[in-house]
Amino acid sequence: SQQGEEDPQALSIQEGENATMNCSYKTSINNLQWYRQNSGRGLVHLILIRSNEREKHSGRLRVTLDTSKKSSSLLITASRAADTASYFCVHNAGGTSYGKLTFGQGTILTVHP
Amino acid sequence: EPEVTQTPSHQVTQMGQEVILRCVPISNHLYFYWYRQILGQKVEFLVSFYNNEISEKSEIFDDQFSVERPDGSNFTLKIRSTKLEDSAMYFCASKGGRDGSSYNEQFFGPGTRLTVL
Repeated sequence: SQQGEEDPQALSIQEGENATMNCSYKTSINNLQWYRQNSGRGLVHLILIRSNEREKHSGRLRVTLDTSKKSSSLLITASRAADTASYFCVHNAGGTSYGKLTFGQGTILTVHP
Repeated sequence: EPEVTQTPSHQVTQMGQEVILRCVPISNHLYFYWYRQILGQKVEFLVSFYNNEISEKSEIFDDQFSVERPDGSNFTLKIRSTKLEDSAMYFCASKGGRDGSSYNEQFFGPGTRLTVL
């Protein structure tokens, strides 16, 4: 699979439920980041986790990283309708400081009111 | 809060015409990028720009594409002779403050939707 592949491809939940999205990657990383895109608009950086970190929190977001399995997960707790968006895990696939980001197809999250 | 801006928000052009997409990155950032997203597809990297030159480019970024930072604030993407398949949303991004801040996080603009007829 390509780098930064998210799973599931689509997730539909009710407001108030938790949403978990997973991501796998192939190469070694310095850090992994999650971005959100609302319906064809710009991309918004959500959270970054470094390779020496296992878990990180930001508000209702919790990210985990397992470098041995080359996988990460994003948990959104107590979801809201406004969380409806596509979510991408990305990293600097090139391993250079120039920072080219490689995106997967993303997970389309729909939160029903 | 500083943000990346892009103009125009929507550009319609005829096949074969030249277009210039404009971006104003965050003012103290040093690294600049263009990405594109064809409708229903992944966001794809086009080019990165640092120290007034291209640092990396993808296979998509062929001779029809060029980038420029003409005046120290704008960052432009030019497509010399547009094709139908160039229709996409084009995103500009920047990162890397001179003070060492924002080294990893890329800040994206809202995008320019290019429609080639």
